[in-house]
Amino acid sequence: QKEVEQDPGPLSVPEGAIVSLNCTYSNSAFQYFMWYRQYSRKGPELLMYTYSSGNKEDGRFTAQVDKSSKYISLFIRDSQPSDSATYLCAMSEGGGANNLFFGTGTRLTVIP
Amino acid sequence: GAVVSQHPSWVICKSGTSVKIECRSLDFQATTMFWYRQFPKQSLMLMATSNEGSKATYEQGVEKDKFLINHASLTLSTLTVTSAHPEDSSFYICSAQKGLLQETQYFGPGTRLLVL
Repeated sequence: QKEVEQDPGPLSVPEGAIVSLNCTYSNSAFQYFMWYRQYSRKGPELLMYTYSSGNKEDGRFTAQVDKSSKYISLFIRDSQPSDSATYLCAMSEGGGANNLFFGTGTRLTVIP
Repeated sequence: GAVVSQHPSWVICKSGTSVKIECRSLDFQATTMFWYRQFPKQSLMLMATSNEGSKATYEQGVEKDKFLINHASLTLSTLTVTSAHPEDSSFYICSAQKGLLQETQYFGPGTRLLVL
């Protein structure tokens, strides 16, 4: 079983839709959860960073962590064509950058 | 800002040759850099952690004699794939850490390697 599972998509939505991206994991020791956005031919850039369970909101983006279900989500409100990218979840036990486990990424296309 | 560059962005080589990939932090000093590999439709997998002035720490299953890492300065780390074979064809991506936490890890754009 993989440490982190993520549906690779692709996912296509119309502009303005609410997008829900999800990851599940098996290691109950994970405490740090991240979402990265990766545009084509670019490196991943950090979107959201959360510690332990709960919600975190930043503009149109909301990250949710449910440690009891080992499930994390990223919601994008009022999606824009510029949100079209691959979204990767990542998580780790400790706060350092070592032992960061990534999902495979979900490819999202927002259609104008 | 915090920009990390990689060079080359893509490379095609013959089996048996060595390929060097450079990772540079352009506007900050990075005491730690990381090298990842990503096969198609798979996750980014950490290969090694590189600290300036010391030997790299390799993840389990990564051959240190095949993937040579040199972190010669606070802004440059290099990955050399020695005697490359077709199964080494992959997307290699580095990241540089600006601070102590994961949220200060900045990724390069990646290098696509194709070994014929």
